[in-house]
Amino acid sequence: DADVTQTPRNRITKTGKRIMLECSQTKGHDRMYWYRQDPGLGLRLIYYSFDVKDINKGEISDGYSVSRQAQAKFSLSLESAIPNQTALYFCATSDLSGTEYGYTFGSGTRLTVV
Amino acid sequence: ELKVEQNPLFLSMQEGKNYTIYCNYSTTSDRLYWYRQDPGKSLESLFVLLSNGAVKQEGRLMASLDTKARLSTLHITAAVHDLSATYFCAVVSFGNEKLTFGTGTRLTIIP
Repeated sequence: DADVTQTPRNRITKTGKRIMLECSQTKGHDRMYWYRQDPGLGLRLIYYSFDVKDINKGEISDGYSVSRQAQAKFSLSLESAIPNQTALYFCATSDLSGTEYGYTFGSGTRLTVV
Repeated sequence: ELKVEQNPLFLSMQEGKNYTIYCNYSTTSDRLYWYRQDPGKSLESLFVLLSNGAVKQEGRLMASLDTKARLSTLHITAAVHDLSATYFCAVVSFGNEKLTFGTGTRLTIIP
């Protein structure tokens, strides 16, 4: 099994719909992140959480919300999806010290909003 | 605000040739990472560079870090087709654990 599991892998949704992307990890890491990838823009940070009670906005949090249900689970929600949220979404984890190879990425969720 | 710039954005090179990808960043950093991404896939960690003058090598790839110049390089030696991918550098700002990514370099190796 993968260390960081994202579900679903692919999703097509309609404008205005609410959608949740889920991430779970078996690494035992405290820190979890949601990134969005668009062609030519690299990966941009949406939200991050350093422990269960800590939630922080990243550089592009507008239109998104998150929930850290447990140390191992971090969900990203789009309350009312819009077409420019079509992108590849990655969840990642890191350990407290961020040691070598300390960031682990999930396989990604490809989201299409029509 | 930390900014990370990579160049070139696209690189097409012949097998057997050498080339370098550059990564500049704007503020003091704790660590710098290099990742590889194949189309539609996740990110594969290649290197982490922790200090000024750090150099790491794995196969045909070598990464280095100059913290004074705020510059990292990824050097490709005698390129082979299997190295075709998109390469990202990512920087951790001093004092926090957020990764800020460059825009990526799409590398295509031509036989």
